[in-house]
Amino acid sequence: ELKVEQNPLFLSMQEGKNYTIYCNYSTTSDRLYWYRQDPGKSLESLFVLLSNGAVKQEGRLMASLDTKARLSTLHITAAVHDLSATYFCAGNTGTASKLTFGTGTRLQVTL
Amino acid sequence: DTEVTQTPKHLVMGMTNKKSLKCEQHMGHRAMYWYKQKAKKPPELMFVYSYEKLSINESVPSRFSPECPNSSLLNLHLHALQPEDSALYLCASSLQTVEYTDTQYFGPGTRLTVL
Repeated sequence: ELKVEQNPLFLSMQEGKNYTIYCNYSTTSDRLYWYRQDPGKSLESLFVLLSNGAVKQEGRLMASLDTKARLSTLHITAAVHDLSATYFCAGNTGTASKLTFGTGTRLQVTL
Repeated sequence: DTEVTQTPKHLVMGMTNKKSLKCEQHMGHRAMYWYKQKAKKPPELMFVYSYEKLSINESVPSRFSPECPNSSLLNLHLHALQPEDSALYLCASSLQTVEYTDTQYFGPGTRLTVL
């Protein structure tokens, strides 16, 4: 059974700073996803990583995947307040796309 | 168009009521999902429909009854719920082919309160 862990659970950071969220998973995952969720809202797809060494970037967010270490990272560059949200990573196995979510990282960017 | 719609947005019901949640997508996706999310927790998978057939039931109590009338619609029928069933119920859909990334697109959710 796939287990997904994230750390930290909560991250308070100042605007302009850089930081990384870590996502570890227990067994082979076909794909690794990153989602964003604003309070009381739904989940927005950010990235999907398919293979070892994959790197995707969108604005101030960059996601990478190391399948050998079973580790994905979400790097935040020069954080801005608009990035405040909860970020989930999720893995899946099999064609049924059964997603297993990590615990989530609540990011708070302060002025 | 990557939109999944859900109705209603909010629902308050008593433990003896029967109600239904509705989800719709017009992206041609062949897999549809129901998730339950409690506050400050990740979403938990409840059901998966693949090509209009129930393919996964994550041991969900029978007071939750899913239905997929066609490839664009997904319903969740609720009956005799308990207060602990209060949560955000999220619907999602995905293309479901191995050639694609099969990203799941989520609807806005229904906030359910059981009194």
